[in-house]
Amino acid sequence: DAKTTQPNSMESNEEEPVHLPCNHSTISGTDYIHWYRQLPSQGPEYVIHGLTSNVNNRMASLAIAEDRKSSTLILHRATLRDAAVYYCILRVAVAGGYQKVTFGTGTKLQVIP
Amino acid sequence: DGGITQSPKYLFRKEGQNVTLSCEQNLNHDAMYWYRQDPGQGLRLIYYSQIVNDFQKGDIAEGYSVSREKKESFPLTVTSAQKNPTAFYLCASSNLTSDYYNEQFFGPGTRLTVL
Repeated sequence: DAKTTQPNSMESNEEEPVHLPCNHSTISGTDYIHWYRQLPSQGPEYVIHGLTSNVNNRMASLAIAEDRKSSTLILHRATLRDAAVYYCILRVAVAGGYQKVTFGTGTKLQVIP
Repeated sequence: DGGITQSPKYLFRKEGQNVTLSCEQNLNHDAMYWYRQDPGQGLRLIYYSQIVNDFQKGDIAEGYSVSREKKESFPLTVTSAQKNPTAFYLCASSNLTSDYYNEQFFGPGTRLTVL
């Protein structure tokens, strides 16, 4: 399975932008890049996904490198509610159409008031 | 409101007892999943099901069993054969589509402690 590598932790000041990096050097052409985040003692929630082009939604932006071997989740103005563990994952297509997902340990984002 | 419910939120059991965790969804999703999360770790896939009456082992299925008799329900049984059952258990569901994109919706989780 294609794997992702993320820093264990990052810090950001409140109201400042945050760039969360993810390396996925073994990504294949049909793998989508997904980001989820998990608040303490809760289930993960979807943030954003992309394939080749950069993507924006109300929560964040996703910048994907031209070679697709890395991506960056961008939170434009960090708030205290953004403090969470952020997971970068790849959707890998396997036989039967089921897309297996492997969650790594993610990046724990601390937002400083 | 549509969503996924897991019950109970906290569960305590004595060692050697089987315990069943509930997961229900009203999103009309075809696929359902069970994950296990240990402190400071990521999620590991236990079992998944794409359709009623069918399910597949994930990466750490030993000591667990599931059933999928209804589309809405995917209960997980933690058996006495599971060596280290104390963990946070998460259930998720998703649609199956052909374009490799299907967001997973997660429940609030059940924290199981075996004494």
